[in-house]
Amino acid sequence: GENVEQHPSTLSVQEGDSAVIKCTYSDSASNYFPWYKQELGKGPQLIIDIRSNVGEKKDQRIAVTLNKTAKHFSLHITETQPEDSAVYFCAASISPGGGKLTFGQGTILTVHP
Amino acid sequence: DVKVTQSSRYLVKRTGEKVFLECVQDMDHENMFWYRQDPGLGLRLIYFSYDVKMKEKGDIPEGYSVSREKKERFSLILESASTNQTSMYLCASSYWGQANYGYTFGSGTRLTVV
Repeated sequence: GENVEQHPSTLSVQEGDSAVIKCTYSDSASNYFPWYKQELGKGPQLIIDIRSNVGEKKDQRIAVTLNKTAKHFSLHITETQPEDSAVYFCAASISPGGGKLTFGQGTILTVHP
Repeated sequence: DVKVTQSSRYLVKRTGEKVFLECVQDMDHENMFWYRQDPGLGLRLIYFSYDVKMKEKGDIPEGYSVSREKKERFSLILESASTNQTSMYLCASSYWGQANYGYTFGSGTRLTVV
């Protein structure tokens, strides 16, 4: 089955810096790659996603890039703010829309004021 | 505005007890999922369901079962709780369709087995 590896496990940045989280996946049939943000005491929430026919997608300060050949994808957060502090999860899916996801191990991002 | 509701936020059970974790969604989603979250391991899929009465094993189904008698409700059952099932349990639902692939998660149930 699919395996998703996520790095780093913890990331500490100063407010205003950029943060990058990277994931690799094993199954070349995977075609959907979402990113989730989990704040303390809450369930994960979808923040951005990308499909295999797209190389990059941006939404304000966050962006995701996908390299299908290398089977890796990354989350980029620019101009980080303290409220960006959370646990971030990447995931991959080979199922049609809405199907099961395989998640990475998570990255604890801390943004220092 | 709550869309996926998990019945308990915190739960403490004894080893050997039968435990029921309930999840209800009000978005008419076809798909529902149970994951467990452990530090350093991420979210691991226990069971999922794409329709009423339907269930499929995820990556770590041992020691668990599920029930989906109604579209909006998906229950996770620990047949005989063990200490290694102490974890955060997350329920999620999603809609089949090209327009929306995302999961909606509940807030989680932190289960401690003593």
